[in-house]
Amino acid sequence: DTEVTQTPKHLVMGMTNKKSLKCEQHMGHRAMYWYKQKAKKPPELMFVYSYEKLSINESVPSRFSPECPNSSLLNLHLHALQPEDSALYLCASSQESGRGGDTQYFGPGTRLTVL
Amino acid sequence: QKEVEQNSGPLSVPEGAIASLNCTYSDRGSQSFFWYRQYSGKSPELIMFIYSNGDKEDGRFTAQLNKASQYVSLLIRDSQPSDSATYLCAVNGGDSGGGADGLTFGKGTHLIIQP
Repeated sequence: DTEVTQTPKHLVMGMTNKKSLKCEQHMGHRAMYWYKQKAKKPPELMFVYSYEKLSINESVPSRFSPECPNSSLLNLHLHALQPEDSALYLCASSQESGRGGDTQYFGPGTRLTVL
Repeated sequence: QKEVEQNSGPLSVPEGAIASLNCTYSDRGSQSFFWYRQYSGKSPELIMFIYSNGDKEDGRFTAQLNKASQYVSLLIRDSQPSDSATYLCAVNGGDSGGGADGLTFGKGTHLIIQP
């Protein structure tokens, strides 16, 4: 089973709201990722968690706050977002074999609209 | 700074023909190479991965890697209208120190299979 689930599928929020995106995998993967994808652009890496620890933060603004409560769950907390943050937010997971080349499997994404 | 280059297309191929998609990458230390298919509004779906020089075949798909030329390609045989999508080339590894590493994507090639 190579399933990564994400909730919600769609989210509309105002600039003063606080919301969270959730990602879950039950493949025993130890690395999880957040990507952002704008229309007609490729996915861009935001965060990498390895063994539940944040290992890569690609200079993402602090209004995005990741959290990894356990090895199966990954959250992305959103606060005071801007309209330009509207995008498809993708979660992925991989084995984390330590070779830096693990295959990543993507969830279906959360389509975020910031008004 | 890793870079991955793809021709954005559109690449138009008749049904039943071979579609050839190409990708070059800048980081000579990259270890792993992936092809994802993405339908409009959906998340990337893994098609193929390749780690070693040469060819790797899986059904109608063949991935080719030439590390000396820093070149990856994907061949799709007996192209079907359902193959019409954007194909994203992605690489990782290299400077990650062996730990989990995010993917660097090319801009994607829009493939159209004409019935």
